[in-house]
Amino acid sequence: DADVTQTPRNRITKTGKRIMLECSQTKGHDRMYWYRQDPGLGLRLIYYSFDVKDINKGEISDGYSVSRQAQAKFSLSLESAIPNQTALYFCATSDTITGSSYNEQFFGPGTRLTVL
Amino acid sequence: LAKTTQPISMDSYEGQEVNITCSHNNIATNDYITWYQQFPSQGPRFIIQGYKTKVTNEVASLFIPADRKSSTLSLPRVSLSDTAVYYCLVGGSQGNLIFGKGTKLSVKP
Repeated sequence: DADVTQTPRNRITKTGKRIMLECSQTKGHDRMYWYRQDPGLGLRLIYYSFDVKDINKGEISDGYSVSRQAQAKFSLSLESAIPNQTALYFCATSDTITGSSYNEQFFGPGTRLTVL
Repeated sequence: LAKTTQPISMDSYEGQEVNITCSHNNIATNDYITWYQQFPSQGPRFIIQGYKTKVTNEVASLFIPADRKSSTLSLPRVSLSDTAVYYCLVGGSQGNLIFGKGTKLSVKP
């Protein structure tokens, strides 16, 4: 979805380096998410944020940190990259959920990260 | 969050109807059932969502029996461009989705 952008699209780095992946959205959504995808494993949630002051750990947060700089920006950092963090990373957004209904998530194009 | 089980892969031919069934025995009262589609190297895309009975949109239909312990995504008259991975998700009322491995659908000419 062009309303959700990720930079960089591809990145190769070395073990031990600090890496930041950035996500921006123009959809005006409050909620933002970071997922990683490994071949054959589907997507796994790393962190999610329901607003600027709210950060929550997902299924696999170890080794990652996030920053919600503004409503439209959500960054994912790898403090000291390791090879098993090589994966495809997706950012997503969704609108504020009301009641018990669920709002769809809109995904960015992904960032392919390789850690050597 | 309720766990889902769906077939790892399915094959079909162009023009056929494809039905992908997902089981979710532990679905909670407030949970919705949602299906996403993902093409290689792209982010998942929302297809359809339902709570009970049948939901239809321009892309697919979703059938949910009364006990809501399973659901079936129906893709009418598939084409080669429907080749993708399809994910069944349950819950997400708090916005944190759990994606399984999905069903890899291969459509052949």
